[in-house]
Amino acid sequence: DQQVKQNSPSLSVQEGRISILNCDYTNSMFDYFLWYKKYPAEGPTFLISISSIKDKNEDGRFTVFLNKSAKHLSLHIVPSQPGDSAVYFCAASAPGSKIIFGKGTRLHILP
Amino acid sequence: DAGVIQSPRHEVTEMGQEVTLRCKPISGHNSLFWYRQTMMRGLELLIYFNNNVPIDDSGMPEDRFSAKMPNASFSTLKIQPSEPRDSAVYFCASSLSPSGRTGELFFGEGSRLTVL
Repeated sequence: DQQVKQNSPSLSVQEGRISILNCDYTNSMFDYFLWYKKYPAEGPTFLISISSIKDKNEDGRFTVFLNKSAKHLSLHIVPSQPGDSAVYFCAASAPGSKIIFGKGTRLHILP
Repeated sequence: DAGVIQSPRHEVTEMGQEVTLRCKPISGHNSLFWYRQTMMRGLELLIYFNNNVPIDDSGMPEDRFSAKMPNASFSTLKIQPSEPRDSAVYFCASSLSPSGRTGELFFGEGSRLTVL
């Protein structure tokens, strides 16, 4: 039973345009959400996070939006750059609980 | 500044052999995590330690898997005997956050295991 779902295994976006990566979750107890980015042959690296008391968090070109009623979060990258091509993992956790990762979405930025 | 160091980077072994993966966390981090990445299941937490003590090993697949953290700077994940379905990339991560859930996890580069 997947508690964190990334339904798009891959996504292709033109350089300079907006990339939107989506993530759905089922556990209403989740109160902290994170995005990690992974390049081939490297470990994941932390990108951005959001607490459930917020609905938006921005860091440079990256913005995470949280819709608690829909149990949905999204990562927006604007503008998309070639170096953004990677696998993006959505993750969530509840108090006293471990982090649950989604399966990832592979983002391709097209020249 | 050294990050999380894992060894070996690649391991190819035959079914039934013992496999030992090693991890050196970032100095000062008191939480250490072992994850497994597969296409089917994504990133799964196998076990994590806080101050060298195993806190949650509910993700360890079965008794063939064991993990130790004898001191703050070293951990091992052992598979004995190994099976082809254990083939995956195994990541070690460390964190200042006790469960890693609200703090940043710092991952190593991973150990790619292939069991023939």
